[in-house]
Amino acid sequence: GQQVMQIPQYQHVQEGEDFTTYCNSSTTLSNIQWYKQRPGGHPVFLIQLVKSGEVKKQKRLTFQFGEAKKNSSLHITATQTTDVGTYFCAGILPTENSGGSNYKLTFGKGTLLTVNP
Amino acid sequence: SQTIHQWPATLVQPVGSPLSLECTVEGTSNPNLYWYRQAAGRGLQLLFYSVGIGQISSEVPQNLSASRPQDRQFILSSKKLLLSDSGFYLCAWSVFGPFSSSLVYTFGSGTRLTVV
Repeated sequence: GQQVMQIPQYQHVQEGEDFTTYCNSSTTLSNIQWYKQRPGGHPVFLIQLVKSGEVKKQKRLTFQFGEAKKNSSLHITATQTTDVGTYFCAGILPTENSGGSNYKLTFGKGTLLTVNP
Repeated sequence: SQTIHQWPATLVQPVGSPLSLECTVEGTSNPNLYWYRQAAGRGLQLLFYSVGIGQISSEVPQNLSASRPQDRQFILSSKKLLLSDSGFYLCAWSVFGPFSSSLVYTFGSGTRLTVV
């Protein structure tokens, strides 16, 4: 079946260090999204990438979508304690038997980021 | 604006008891609705999704069932809970249609279920 793989599963950094999580799909994606889940909370949408090779920035966060639209990365520069949480990528694919009329997300397993102050 | 309500926030149930978790969405019509489960420290497992009233797709065979009696209401149920049903249950909604670029999942605040 369609899978979205995400690494690493866990990452512990010192405050001020950089952090990167990677996402790979077994199939070409329509779009890719990134979500953040704070400890004890629910996933919250961060950003969506649509175009091949697209790069978007949100303050210290940089999101990239691969040229083949099969991989993506999230890079955080100079982490802060407020960055703690689990980061999920999610690939958008057509639902089976929908003829391209409906889409759903397939989530990666997430990367849990902890930051030592 | 659209909002999603999910309750209860926490629940402790004995093994063998029934379960009913409810999720409602406001401010939109004909949404796609989803139930996810998240075990402690793990990823999001899609349990069910629905593209319309009475239309339920099951992703993983299990001890749970889902129903959509109204357009903006999604219910997760079990007749007899197992210990392995413990977890964090999340409801989510998204738009329905052919424009993948508009597909953003909005999650409810979740129900933390402990089966004892």
